[in-house]
Amino acid sequence: NAGVTQTPKFRVLKTGQSMTLLCAQDMNHEYMYWYRQDPGMGLRLIHYSVGEGTTAKGEVPDGYNVSRLKKQNFLLGLESAAPSQTSVYFCASSYSERQGQFFGPGTRLTVL
Amino acid sequence: RKEVEQDPGPFNVPEGATVAFNCTYSNSASQSFFWYRQDCRKEPKLLMSVYSSGNEDGRFTAQLNRASQYISLLIRDSKLSDSATYLCVVNMGTGNQFYFGTGTSLTVIP
Repeated sequence: NAGVTQTPKFRVLKTGQSMTLLCAQDMNHEYMYWYRQDPGMGLRLIHYSVGEGTTAKGEVPDGYNVSRLKKQNFLLGLESAAPSQTSVYFCASSYSERQGQFFGPGTRLTVL
Repeated sequence: RKEVEQDPGPFNVPEGATVAFNCTYSNSASQSFFWYRQDCRKEPKLLMSVYSSGNEDGRFTAQLNRASQYISLLIRDSKLSDSATYLCVVNMGTGNQFYFGTGTSLTVIP
């Protein structure tokens, strides 16, 4: 039982490049989330999903897209990376919005 | 005003001490409340949910005060392993949006 996994763990991009971060969970959770964590700002919600085939915007969605084609996977895409997107990205999942979330180990992204 | 505010600390306490953290939230319609701990360069881990009547898990006690819009976390008999950053999390009730505090740093000193 791996819980929530994220790939890759680290990545360096040049401005304008694109990439996709993959999140997978094996707990059969309906809800999945993508956050970014920056120093002094706490975690901020980028996008979330309440079930397979659904996505919704969070607090800071600009510059990101997501897809939830399978219940266990939640993908975060950066179409044209910018230095402001340098951050640590965490994926999380939960049974419902009333229950606590389980986090993946994070992806450290640097955009030069 | 931020949606969720915490005293960043740091709190430096000796082993065995009792320490308490507070967290205030802005939206009176908030529905769900949690405490997480985060170790350096690691992911947040759920410590406990916070229920209206208050709840306890071993050395940890969480309280909710809806009238004053804050939640608290009390740690008794602090251990070295309790050193971490403690995050409070609030679901504001506006859809599925969770807001995280910036965290309170705790160091337990031998």
